[in-house]
Order: sequence, then structure tokens, then C-alpha cells
Amino acid sequence: GAVVSQHPSRVICKSGTSVKIECRSLDFQATTMFWYRQFPKKSLMLMATSNEGSKATYEQGVEKDKFLINHASLTLSTLTVTSAHPEDSSFYICSASSAGSSTDTQYFGPGTRLTVL
Amino acid sequence: SQKIEQNSEALNIQEGKTATLTCNYTNYSPAYLQWYRQDPGRGPVFLLLIRENEKEKRKERLKVTFDTTLKQSLFHITASQPADSATYLCALEEGGGNKLTFGTGTQLKVEL
Repeated sequence: GAVVSQHPSRVICKSGTSVKIECRSLDFQATTMFWYRQFPKKSLMLMATSNEGSKATYEQGVEKDKFLINHASLTLSTLTVTSAHPEDSSFYICSASSAGSSTDTQYFGPGTRLTVL
Repeated sequence: SQKIEQNSEALNIQEGKTATLTCNYTNYSPAYLQWYRQDPGRGPVFLLLIRENEKEKRKERLKVTFDTTLKQSLFHITASQPADSATYLCALEEGGGNKLTFGTGTQLKVEL
């Protein structure tokens, strides 16, 4: 149980275009989803926290107009990187917390490798 | 400032030995601490959670200790196997909301 999927797994895009990444909880309802970014040999950096039906809470230094997050249902959150630039190239990972979970565990997706040319 | 430190150098051990990884933190009062495994190009996989009022937690070959006085957690893998080779991340939760802050991870290599 507790499977989280991401789509796509890899994406290459041209500078200036927008890219949408989907995060789905496949077998549980996720009231909260988190979006992280990870650069090579670095740790995961939390970008934003997304609660179903409400606006995402962004971490300091993360541009909300550049990284649009939508959490429209209990099983789906999307991250859109708008007007992507080469410095946005990174590994984007989502995680989900199970509604009513007593363990406070986050279940992570497999990640999306974004390369902006 | 707040900091989470893990051994930055890779840890190489022989198969069958016990691997011990360290996570030290400063200026945090975490409600709980978690350990994750991450393989290259993949998302982290949850291993163990230990709460502030717990000293030790075990799961199969894994053992985690949590010393809130020393502000340190130790992660042990007994009878290590080459399949245990991965990067291991510790993560702290503080302030509610399940928001996690991750350490930089320690790469473990188990050799035959």
C-alpha cells in the first residue's frame, strides 16, 4: 500500500516553456502533498506544502508565480514550472501524507527529472 | 542557525558487518525523526520513524536510536548486504504539519 506515482519521469523542454508534473496517490487519500527539489549530491529541499482544496504554502525563496501548485483532489497534485530556464533543471519529488495516518509518514513519488535546454 | 549533519563521506563496509550512520542536528526540537533510503534517480523510501520520547526503534535488521540531549540519531544496519548500498537520509519534523527537513544523506556501499 501507500504508493505515490509521478508523471512524467523525465522531461526535456526548451527555455521559456512551461512544464506540468503530476503527483498521484494511488491507493490512499492524501490530504497533504509536498513538493521537493533535489540538486545533484544535495539533499531534498522543500518547495511547498499543498493541502487539498486550499492554496499551497510556499517555502521562503520559492517563487509562487513560477512554481504553480494545484491540489484539486485527495489523490492528485500538480506542479507547473512556468517559463522554465536552465537553472530550473533539477529532480522534482512529491510526497503525500495519508489522511488520518497515525504515523505521520510521508510517501514519496519516484521523482521527475527536468532538463531545461 | 538550524543544521542537520550527516557523514558527508561515503561509508564503505564489508558484507555481514554492521553499518552505523550518524545524524546530528542543532537548533531543532523535533517531535520525531525519520530515516529514508534513496537509490540513484529515485525518490526516498521510508524506513523508520522515532519519536522524541522514544530511545530506540527496531525493524528487522534496522535499528535507530534517538538522543534528544546529544541531539543525535544513529542508524544501524546489521548483517549488511550489497543490496543495502544506497544513500540514507535523516529527516526532522518540527512545529507540526508534518513538514520535514532533510539532511544531506550518507552514501553507504556494502562490498562483498
